[in-house]
Amino acid sequence: SQTIHQWPATLVQPVGSPLSLECTVEGTSNPNLYWYRQAAGRGLQLLFYSVGIGQISSEVPQNLSASRPQDRQFILSSKKLLLSDSGFYLCAWSEGPMRDYTFGSGTRLTVV
Amino acid sequence: TQLLEQSPQFLSIQEGENLTVYCNSSSVFSSLQWYRQEPGEGPVLLVTVVTGGEVKKLKRLTFQFGDARKDSSLHITAAQPGDTGLYLCAGASAGTYKYIFGTGTRLKVLA
Repeated sequence: SQTIHQWPATLVQPVGSPLSLECTVEGTSNPNLYWYRQAAGRGLQLLFYSVGIGQISSEVPQNLSASRPQDRQFILSSKKLLLSDSGFYLCAWSEGPMRDYTFGSGTRLTVV
Repeated sequence: TQLLEQSPQFLSIQEGENLTVYCNSSSVFSSLQWYRQEPGEGPVLLVTVVTGGEVKKLKRLTFQFGDARKDSSLHITAAQPGDTGLYLCAGASAGTYKYIFGTGTRLKVLA
């Protein structure tokens, strides 16, 4: 069966420090991968999605970037964090366009 | 820009009551999903609807996709404390790779 792993679960980072969040999927190949950010108790904002290795689509201009170095690995990065980068970051995968999403357990990022 | 507005934003009810949550947009969607999310966890998919007017039932939950595929509703019968959580709708248009999420409805069911 397919599983999705996301880590770390929580992270506290100072302003100006770098960021690397990792997401991996097991049990499938060539998944569509997504990074979302969620404000406290609200809806999800799509940040990046990828339909294949090295293919990244950015949805909003921001202080973040994403990379997909391997088929089932999706990384969210920042060179210098801002206070406004705080939030709950969720990784998700699907088998293809408009297929069901499976979400990871999320990373709570607090920038101080 | 596609927007999905959910109402109400917050809902607090007593155990045993019925409730309906709405998801509305001016855009037409080829597929619409409902998720439930617990605090500190990722959303979990409840249902996907793809046909205008479609109705799906999941135990005490009834989901309906509007005839024009611009809106959807979630009705819960005899709510239980275990139904507490954040309910999110998400829609995808034909030819896109992504779902756009609604603003969310936070439900609290009191015992």
